Amino acid sequence: QLQLQESGPGLVKPPETLSLTCTVSGDSISGSSYYWGWIRQPPGKGLEWIGSVYYSGSTNYNPSLKSRVTVFVDTSKNQFSLKVNSVTAADTAVYYCARLRNWGSGRGFFEYWGQGALVTVSS
Amino acid sequence: EIVLTQSPGTLSLSPGERATLSCRASQSVSSGFLAWYQQKPGQAPRLLIYGASIRATGIPVRFSGSGSGTDFTLTISRLEPEDFAVYYCQQYLTSPNSFGQGTKLEI
Repeated sequence: QLQLQESGPGLVKPPETLSLTCTVSGDSISGSSYYWGWIRQPPGKGLEWIGSVYYSGSTNYNPSLKSRVTVFVDTSKNQFSLKVNSVTAADTAVYYCARLRNWGSGRGFFEYWGQGALVTVSS
Repeated sequence: EIVLTQSPGTLSLSPGERATLSCRASQSVSSGFLAWYQQKPGQAPRLLIYGASIRATGIPVRFSGSGSGTDFTLTISRLEPEDFAVYYCQQYLTSPNSFGQGTKLEI
């Protein structure tokens, strides 16, 4: 049974860096059909895809966030991570990690999701 | 970027009724690269449908997806109490992957 679990600080001060890690269990992160992605949801709002990474390190980002976001993978730990630089209150959200069934270069649908981690940006 | 518009914003129905949710794309989503998710309060989204009409593993047959081009529909044939939630569509034809704004299905 595939499980994903987000971890990281729940409070970040502006304009610092938000850092989250997703630990994958029940499957290898090195599967060839999948990317691994991050999606966020501000309180009371909809879903926004942030970016995705392949086990080789290839990435695909949402252009709206690309200048501030890095997603990277650590296959030895079966983990992937997210960094968002220069955060503001607008980055306050529940951050989900998910496995993406890849249809080319990080495009795809999200089959399995973590439970989500609330990150609040406030001084 | 493909923009997805869902309607209605809120749908009020009763258990046993049929629900029809709409997702319209700003440009054609060819090959049916469209998915639907269900989200209940405090929970992560759950994949219901991908490829516009393929039910994900374990999804009840009362959930069905249809459509092509720019117009897609999620139908719940007979509503169960546990179906009242927010539903999102998502396209993966082009990058960036994008979601609709959601439809709240309420009793």
